Amino acid sequence: AQKITQTQPGMFVQEKEAVTLDCTYDTSDPSYGLFWYKQPSSGEMIFLIYQGSYDQQNATEGRYSLNFQKARKSANLVISASQLGDSAMYFCAMREGIISNFGNEKLTFGTGTRLTIIP
Amino acid sequence: GAVVSQHPSRVICKSGTSVKIECRSLDFQATTMFWYRQFPKKSLMLMATSNEGSKATYEQGVEKDKFLINHASLTLSTLTVTSAHPEDSSFYICSAAGTSGSNEQFFGPGTRLTVL
Repeated sequence: AQKITQTQPGMFVQEKEAVTLDCTYDTSDPSYGLFWYKQPSSGEMIFLIYQGSYDQQNATEGRYSLNFQKARKSANLVISASQLGDSAMYFCAMREGIISNFGNEKLTFGTGTRLTIIP
Repeated sequence: GAVVSQHPSRVICKSGTSVKIECRSLDFQATTMFWYRQFPKKSLMLMATSNEGSKATYEQGVEKDKFLINHASLTLSTLTVTSAHPEDSSFYICSAAGTSGSNEQFFGPGTRLTVL
């Protein structure tokens, strides 16, 4: 079974609208962390937001928020007021096991969603 | 966030030659570095995990004799693609984790390898 599933290969959204990118995950470990990364055409991986499995509140970072529904094993990324510069590939990723303070557990990535913002 | 560099950013080589890619953590000590491979329009696939001073742990299906990884210091890891072939052409990305004060991995900008 896929550990991270992103069911939307591509999305087109009008500028200034909000967009939700879906991510579901599969793990039996009670300790895990979920990440979202943005990859523009240049190839760099840009960290957007993180949610730990024990976090009580949904993570937010500026225009990015994570809709974490633990029982459904989903961690959707919400981008508010989309901008042209948001056009990129977006990857959801997970790391499992004891979460250290050093980030040295391996990440498993989903297949990504290509987001295109239309002017 | 912490900075990770990769060199070279782009390399073109002939089939049969070896290519070395460097990954450096510039402002923190990277106790662990990861190497990923990404085919066009595909996801990142973890190739191996390396901890400073020890042998790398390779993911299933990755040839350790083909992709040599060295993590000799807390700021440098290298990936050497030996006897490269056209099917090794890909985007290679490293990430680093360690004493940055954050629990996230920091990614390098990637290296695009083209084997002719």
